Amino acid sequence: DAGVTQSPTHLIKTRGQHVTLRCSPISGHKSVSWYQQVLGQGPQFIFQYYEKEERGRGNFPDRFSARQFPNYSSELNVNALLLGDSALYLCASSFAAAYNEQFFGPGTRLTVL
Amino acid sequence: SQQGEEDPQALSIQEGENATMNCSYKTSINNLQWYRQNSGRGLVHLILIRSNEREKHSGRLRVTLDTSKKSSSLLITASRAADTASYFCATPQGAQKLVFGQGTRLTINP
Repeated sequence: DAGVTQSPTHLIKTRGQHVTLRCSPISGHKSVSWYQQVLGQGPQFIFQYYEKEERGRGNFPDRFSARQFPNYSSELNVNALLLGDSALYLCASSFAAAYNEQFFGPGTRLTVL
Repeated sequence: SQQGEEDPQALSIQEGENATMNCSYKTSINNLQWYRQNSGRGLVHLILIRSNEREKHSGRLRVTLDTSKKSSSLLITASRAADTASYFCATPQGAQKLVFGQGTRLTINP
């Protein structure tokens, strides 16, 4: 079975632009979470979606948004990019809730110039 | 905000030695999880210990949990070069999110 997949692998954008990151969960997993990991830090929670509904939101500005599709894949959108948005964006899936084991994708490395 | 704090921030040992890293957290928990991250890529789940467990083993990994001290430790025995990675503890907050510590960077020298 395929693990969690994310695309693209790397992305370079300039300040003010918009970016869309994509994630496909493990087959059968209905929960998708997004995390931001700045270099040298642990991952920070951005969103969780379960059954296509937002179930949790971290302390991130409204420039960050996400959605989950009927096939449980997910998109993370970031508008008006800032230099500080440069990070590794990780997607994680699980069958149900966050207190279960999370399966992480390889991440998307976003660089904002 | 970070829930947990790992200690030490960095650890360098010789191959074959044991590596111990510690994690402290602030709030009551349902379980505590340890993850490994190689070279800034995706995290790999290592082990989950529930709040009513005190110790758990998985291969060369041994995890302890002391809920009275709000702390956990991860022991890797007989370390190998392939164990070089960053290790994170994470605690669930509600059903929505995992809260991670800042991690321990482990280097195994041949």
